[in-house]
Amino acid sequence: QKEVEQNSGPLSVPEGAIASLNCTYSDRGSQSFFWYRQYSGKSPELIMSIYSNGDKEDGRFTAQLNKASQYVSLLIRDSQPSDSATYLCAASGSARQLTFGSGTQLTVLP
Amino acid sequence: DAGVTQSPTHLIKTRGQQVTLRCSPISGHKSVSWYQQVLGQGPQFIFQYYEKEERGRGNFPDRFSARQFPNYSSELNVNALLLGDSALYLCASSLGLDLRQGAFFGQGTRLTVV
Repeated sequence: QKEVEQNSGPLSVPEGAIASLNCTYSDRGSQSFFWYRQYSGKSPELIMSIYSNGDKEDGRFTAQLNKASQYVSLLIRDSQPSDSATYLCAASGSARQLTFGSGTQLTVLP
Repeated sequence: DAGVTQSPTHLIKTRGQQVTLRCSPISGHKSVSWYQQVLGQGPQFIFQYYEKEERGRGNFPDRFSARQFPNYSSELNVNALLLGDSALYLCASSLGLDLRQGAFFGQGTRLTVV
């Protein structure tokens, strides 16, 4: 069973802090990795994608990938209350379908 | 440019009935995938269609079927509805089979089976 595991949380951080979200995957054939943000009652919104080992930065978001450790993470700097949502990690490989984790609920406290 | 559009947004059906959900992808995107998301879980892959052909199928019973039209829109059909089919059904649009450029979700169809 190809799986994506996320720390289930919930995770609470104060406003302005760094939120760290983690994800591991079991399928070594996975090639592309994605972070989606999902507000309550809404659909997932793509916020980051990463394919190569290392860091990828986009504004306040940094995705990190370590294929040897089969580990993906998302850092959110200067967290805002509007970042409060469930964050979904997803992997895609040769099957070209997204395999999702169960999500981590993040709350940013004002 | 319009994003991914799904219809209807909400639906209530009775056990044993059949339902059809519709999806229009982003203009220029040729691949549509369907996902089921139950409360508290991540989306689960149901189907992928590309150029009107089924290119992938998840672990769902034969009661689930789909098709893609020449304009790349898609329909998901579920027959003989069960209470457990109650979920958010998501359509994802991508340029092609390769998801490197991302898969973008519509607003979803909330299906309730009573």
